[in-house]
This record gives sequence, C-alpha cells and structure tokens, in this order.
Amino acid sequence: AQTVTQSQPEMSVQEAETVTLSCTYDTSENNYYLFWYKQPPSRQMILVIRQEAYKQQNATENRFSVNFQKAAKSFSLKISDSQLGDTAMYFCAFMKLIKAAGNKLTFGGGTRVLVKP
Amino acid sequence: GAGVSQSPRYKVAKRGQDVALRCDPISGHVSLFWYQQALGQGPEFLTYFQNEAQLDKSGLPSDRFFAERPEGSVSTLKIQRTQQEDSAVYLCASSLAGDLLNQPQHFGDGTRLSIL
Repeated sequence: AQTVTQSQPEMSVQEAETVTLSCTYDTSENNYYLFWYKQPPSRQMILVIRQEAYKQQNATENRFSVNFQKAAKSFSLKISDSQLGDTAMYFCAFMKLIKAAGNKLTFGGGTRVLVKP
Repeated sequence: GAGVSQSPRYKVAKRGQDVALRCDPISGHVSLFWYQQALGQGPEFLTYFQNEAQLDKSGLPSDRFFAERPEGSVSTLKIQRTQQEDSAVYLCASSLAGDLLNQPQHFGDGTRLSIL
C-alpha cells in the first residue's frame, strides 16, 4: 500500500512571499503520478499541479512549481508571489497507474497555508 | 451540469439512522469515486464505479456502507445504522475515463455528515 506524508500541519507566509510545502511518499511502484490539490473553506478540491513519475523535468503551473526527487520519494510544492486567495488546505496525493480500473488517489494529511496581508 | 453536484450539503442524523448521499457527476463522465474526509485529515478512498459497474469497493469501512450507480450516472452512497465515527465530509469525484492523466478527477463540494 502507498502512504503519503505531509509533515507540516500549518504554514504562514506574507503576501507576495514564497512558501514551500513538503511531501514524502512510500511506494514500490515505478509508474505513478503525483498531485497537489487545494481545498479552500468551500471544500471543493481543486487540482493545482501534477507530475508524472517518468518525467524528470519538474512541473510548473504559473506561480506553482514542484521539486520532484524520485529517488528520495519527495514531492514539494513551491508557491511564489503568494496571494490572499492561496489561503487553503493543500493536499499531496499519489496515484498508481492501473489500467482498466479506477485510478484512485491516496492523499496526505494536508498542510494549512495562511497568507497574511 | 457544469460541475459535480452533491446533495445534501449538510446532513445531521441520529446514531442508528440510515442516510443516503447523492452525487450527480459531470455529464458523460465514465468514472466516479467516493472519498471520506474526517475532520482535519486528507480524503480516503471508499469506492469506484466505471459506468454502472462497481469495480473497487476496497475502501468501504464496513458492510454498513453501500454505494450504487444503477444507470451509470447519478450515484448514491448509503450508510446504514450510522455511528458517530461515520461523521465526516463525503466527497464525490468524476472523470471522463480511467486514464487520469488526461482526464483529471473533478470533485464536488461534498456532504458534511454529522451523527449525533
């Protein structure tokens, strides 16, 4: 079974500054995907960024970027130029690639990010 | 619809009562997932449907939990004889097909279930 660990329960950052969220995972799989989801108080999970394990290049999505270290099984998220709207819970998630079956997500425990004005 | 719709948004029930939670996925989405999110924790997988077929129910915590998707569209998660530990947010997600890379999972707003 896969496990995902987020060691930072809460992080605060000043508006326009940068914050990095850590995530480690444990798996014996070689083909998988990793994701960061944002969950604001409205509860709806929003996909922030995703990374395919077979790609060495780190994914980037506007102000969001990841540092994927496959050997270390580490997948951190960097939020640059933080905005007040970034305040939310952030979840790291793992997905094993399974054909002909549901690609369920395994989530970490989450990190609460508070952006201060 | 424009997104995944879940109802009710809030549900309060007394211990021992049965509850039914509804999920209306995005039109045309083949895959449908249910997750349970306890307070302050990440979501945990419950069950998965591909059209009307329930292909994975490994995450259902007990035989009190039952899910169905009879016509391959709307799904209902039913919990019988509810207990306090069932209190959680229940999230539904749908995707166009099983290959998540090209068709990400779209989540609903969830149903917050409180058992008194």
